Amino acid sequence: GAGVSQSPSNKVTEKGKDVELRCDPISGHTALYWYRQSLGQGLEFLIYFQGNSAPDKSGLPSDRFSAERTGGSVSTLTIQRTQQEDSAVYLCASSRTGTSGGARNEQFFGPGTRLTVL
Amino acid sequence: GENVEQHPSTLSVQEGDSAVIKCTYSDSASNYFPWYKQELGKRPQLIIDIRSNVGEKKDQRIAVTLNKTAKHFSLHITETQPEDSAVYFCAAKVRFGAGTRLTVKP
Repeated sequence: GAGVSQSPSNKVTEKGKDVELRCDPISGHTALYWYRQSLGQGLEFLIYFQGNSAPDKSGLPSDRFSAERTGGSVSTLTIQRTQQEDSAVYLCASSRTGTSGGARNEQFFGPGTRLTVL
Repeated sequence: GENVEQHPSTLSVQEGDSAVIKCTYSDSASNYFPWYKQELGKRPQLIIDIRSNVGEKKDQRIAVTLNKTAKHFSLHITETQPEDSAVYFCAAKVRFGAGTRLTVKP
């Protein structure tokens, strides 16, 4: 079946503008994750959804960042008043189950959205 | 929350040698430990994982060992090949290590 998809693949915006990034997880996956990866850097955790709720949003860097998930499927990550330091690749991942219980919890990653803030 | 540390940040080996990457975690409730490989310009992909009820798992040239008492786990790659060159990430719960850039020289 289809993997995780993200849109847009590239986004160039001006400082101060709002942007919205979209993630379509694998059908039936209950858990969804957002990460940020700057060039040559690691995977910075942003937020984790189990169903429509977010048990862990401790990685959101500021109140300019928010995310929602509706219908247990699609998720959007919104960045308000973008800053140049927000420039990065934003990766979404989904897994069949969540992080509790010790089940095999392989994350499947999308291709990412490359955000450039001028 | 969970905190994951990974070492080394870079590792260069000769083709055919072994490579070992180590990670430590802080949350004793963590019970699933995957390793992901990210090739240049691509998305991370799972290469091996281990659950807390076992101490070691092997898949051909790669293996993962887990020490729950010490809260650390390691990735072992034997008979390295140039195509093993990539960035490797360990993870526990939603947190990833900082990554190890492995270069295998022919």
